[in-house]
Amino acid sequence: KAGVTQTPRYLIKTRGQQVTLSCSPISGHRSVSWYQQTPGQGLQFLFEYFSETQRNKGNFPGRFSGRQFSNSRSEMNVSTLELGDSALYLCASSLRVGTREETQYFGPGTRLLVL
Amino acid sequence: KQEVTQIPAALSVPEGENLVLNCSFTDSAIYNLQWFRQDPGKGLTSLLLIQSSQREQTSGRLNASLDKSSGRSTLYIAASQPGDSATYLCAVFHNQGGKLIFGQGTELSVKP
Repeated sequence: KAGVTQTPRYLIKTRGQQVTLSCSPISGHRSVSWYQQTPGQGLQFLFEYFSETQRNKGNFPGRFSGRQFSNSRSEMNVSTLELGDSALYLCASSLRVGTREETQYFGPGTRLLVL
Repeated sequence: KQEVTQIPAALSVPEGENLVLNCSFTDSAIYNLQWFRQDPGKGLTSLLLIQSSQREQTSGRLNASLDKSSGRSTLYIAASQPGDSATYLCAVFHNQGGKLIFGQGTELSVKP
């Protein structure tokens, strides 16, 4: 079974631009979560989607948004980029979040650099 | 507010040593706890998941324990190898908010 894939792997943008990142979960997984990883803050939860619905959201500004498609693929969008948005963005999939047994499988991440 | 702490932040050991990584959390209301490994610049690899009702899980040279009442988990690595060098992260799945809450990680270096 193919793992979680994320595209693109690397991205360079300038302040004020917007960016869209994509995540394809493991086949059959319906839950997709997004995390931001920075050296200072570590791994922080952005949001989680299940069956095309956002079920949980972290403490990030409204510039961060996402969506999930009917095939469970997910995209996240960051508008009006700031220097502090430079980070590794990780996507994780699982069969269903919120149960005792679900292992979260992470993709390789998209490294975003904002200049 | 759930907080996860990992001690030590960094660890360097000679090859062949057995070692223990520590993880503590402040709120025992968790669904499960996962240990991950992260190589530099890469994503996370799931190592072990312990359900809240379990005490330990084993996979090969790895053994993870969970004491929910005291808010602690340990990851035991037997007979360490240079290939074990990586950052090890523990994360609790909080039953409110449906998210993993991560510690800052322990950076492990195993010297040949």
